[in-house]
Amino acid sequence: AQSVAQPEDQVNVAEGNPLTVKCTYSVSGNPYLFWYVQYPNRGLQFLLKYITGDNLVKGSYGFEAEFNKSQTSFHLKKPSALVSDSALYFCAVIGPSSASKIIFGSGTRLSIRP
Amino acid sequence: DVKVTQSSRYLVKRTGEKVFLECVQDMDHENMFWYRQDPGLGLRLIYFSYDVKMKEKGDIPEGYSVSREKKERFSLILESASTNQTSMYLCASRDTTGAQPQHFGDGTRLSIL
Repeated sequence: AQSVAQPEDQVNVAEGNPLTVKCTYSVSGNPYLFWYVQYPNRGLQFLLKYITGDNLVKGSYGFEAEFNKSQTSFHLKKPSALVSDSALYFCAVIGPSSASKIIFGSGTRLSIRP
Repeated sequence: DVKVTQSSRYLVKRTGEKVFLECVQDMDHENMFWYRQDPGLGLRLIYFSYDVKMKEKGDIPEGYSVSREKKERFSLILESASTNQTSMYLCASRDTTGAQPQHFGDGTRLSIL
């Protein structure tokens, strides 16, 4: 069965420092992986995705994510955090079949202090 | 840009009422989804639809039903609202071509009194 785990409920980072939000997955075959961000009282916004190819994927707002097949991970990263990055972040996975449901992680709250 | 519109941002209803949550997307997507989001529980899939008049149960369908009479519109129905259905409800749509992401509406925060 497909699953995705975000091991940290909360991540706290000082503004200007690099940030990492962790995600690991379990899926049969090659996965499609996504990151979403949710600001207060809003829906989820798509940030980036990995399908195939280069393991480092770049997305919106300066975020990037690194796909690591051996560790079954897809961690979200940003070299220099902004206070405005504070939000709830969700990792999601879908199996290679188009009929596969998208499975979301439980979410990680990112807090950037000035 | 894909736009997914949920008819209400905030809604207050009473126990036992029949409640309709409406969602419309403007990109001709085949797939549409209803989730509820609760603190500490993440997103939980209630129902999804692959096409018009087609629906499938998600992980927590009890107490809910859905309707998809037109491709752009996906309605969530609470047959007899209960206080444990107080939650944030999120609608999403998705193109099935390739590995496309879901596109979400801004959510409906529903309170059942």
